[in-house]
Amino acid sequence: SQQGEEDPQALSIQEGENATMNCSYKTSINNLQWYRQNSGRGLVHLILIRSNEREKHSGRLRVTLDTSKKSSSLLITASRAADTASYFCATDDGNAGNMLTFGGGTRLMVKP
Amino acid sequence: GAGVSQSPSNKVTEKGKDVELRCDPISGHTALYWYRQRLGQGLEFLIYFQGNSAPDKSGLPSDRFSAERTGESVSTLTIQRTQQEDSAVYLCASSLRGRNTEAFFGQGTRLTVV
Repeated sequence: SQQGEEDPQALSIQEGENATMNCSYKTSINNLQWYRQNSGRGLVHLILIRSNEREKHSGRLRVTLDTSKKSSSLLITASRAADTASYFCATDDGNAGNMLTFGGGTRLMVKP
Repeated sequence: GAGVSQSPSNKVTEKGKDVELRCDPISGHTALYWYRQRLGQGLEFLIYFQGNSAPDKSGLPSDRFSAERTGESVSTLTIQRTQQEDSAVYLCASSLRGRNTEAFFGQGTRLTVV
């Protein structure tokens, strides 16, 4: 079964609005990562948050991690049409030799 | 090379034929992953190589699927007697050994079984 599960599966917003995507997981983790995928091809790493961190920022991205709830959220502020993509969370649980396990993704559409 | 390279980028094959997909990871990356992604779906884990450890093959969907890796370099994913349900994008990624490292993905091989 999937380690990470994203919510919602699809999200449609207007340009300028904020987009929030959530990820839940099941086991303890070393870190949680967010990736972006355009056009069903290679994924691009966005941000990594360690298990002892609660919040991290990178440009218009803000990631939170709540290990007690086994959940994370990715916030994209002031969205742009170019942010349209699929976003995936991935967990590194350490017990499997630092293997990354991905969730099903959130498909974000930002309308101009 | 500068990034993870996969070949071919597209492959159309007839049902029942064998196919071999290739992945060249970033030099020095000891970890290598293969994932499968069906249209509009998430990433399905197939196999994970980490250095000289035995690979984690728990994601391979059937014995028609196999993968090898030569040391810490090239990996090949082989699908024997392809079926239409094997049609998908096959993604390879590599990362440095150890914790808290990001994975770098290739652009994938789009496999179509007709």
